[in-house]
Amino acid sequence: DIQMTQSPSSMSVSLGDTVTITCRASQDVGIYVNWFQQKPGKSPRRMIYRATNLADGVPSRFSGSRSGSDYSLTISSLESEDVADYHCLQYDEYPPTFGGGTKLELK
Amino acid sequence: EVQLVESGGGLVQPGRSLKLSCVASGFTFNNYWMTWIRQAPGKGLEWVASITNTGGSTYYPDSVKGRFTISRDNAKSTLYLQMNSLRSEDTATYYCTRPWYFDYWGQGVMVTVSS
Repeated sequence: DIQMTQSPSSMSVSLGDTVTITCRASQDVGIYVNWFQQKPGKSPRRMIYRATNLADGVPSRFSGSRSGSDYSLTISSLESEDVADYHCLQYDEYPPTFGGGTKLELK
Repeated sequence: EVQLVESGGGLVQPGRSLKLSCVASGFTFNNYWMTWIRQAPGKGLEWVASITNTGGSTYYPDSVKGRFTISRDNAKSTLYLQMNSLRSEDTATYYCTRPWYFDYWGQGVMVTVSS
């Protein structure tokens, strides 16, 4: 199975920060990486699809990028509503596999 | 508006069975593969099962293979997950979603396996 190594597992942030979360794929997954936001007690919400595409209704301060086997989610000018858990997912090959998650916490 | 609504969760003893349902609306259900994803309390997301749009093929990880069965009724726009021989490690919130897109998710249904 393809491993998605997500870092950091948690992050202490301040409002207005630029935050970057990264997933490294254990083998080539092309563009088939999604990023999800999840708030306590809620379902995951797709934020980025196919590595770099902003999902419908997602603020433009969110962006996705790829450098080789590293995939990143960047949040510019963090707002309070962005404090949540974030997960990456590769779906290039079965089984689909998720990163371990990143928890953003306010300082 | 696309909606996925799961039901059927609850508290069940180890070794017993439970069947989850996911009713879909707002899209042409029989055009899409469907999948179940679960999340144990305080843990990450884990793929549980997938089924093709016709129901002709199904896929499972080793952790549930032989115990869980995914199925669908396209006439009712409903996805199912039959879970047998449940273990404590199956305790999780179960979500249905559309694979390859993962754009819409149900609200989740909690399954607790405990004596």
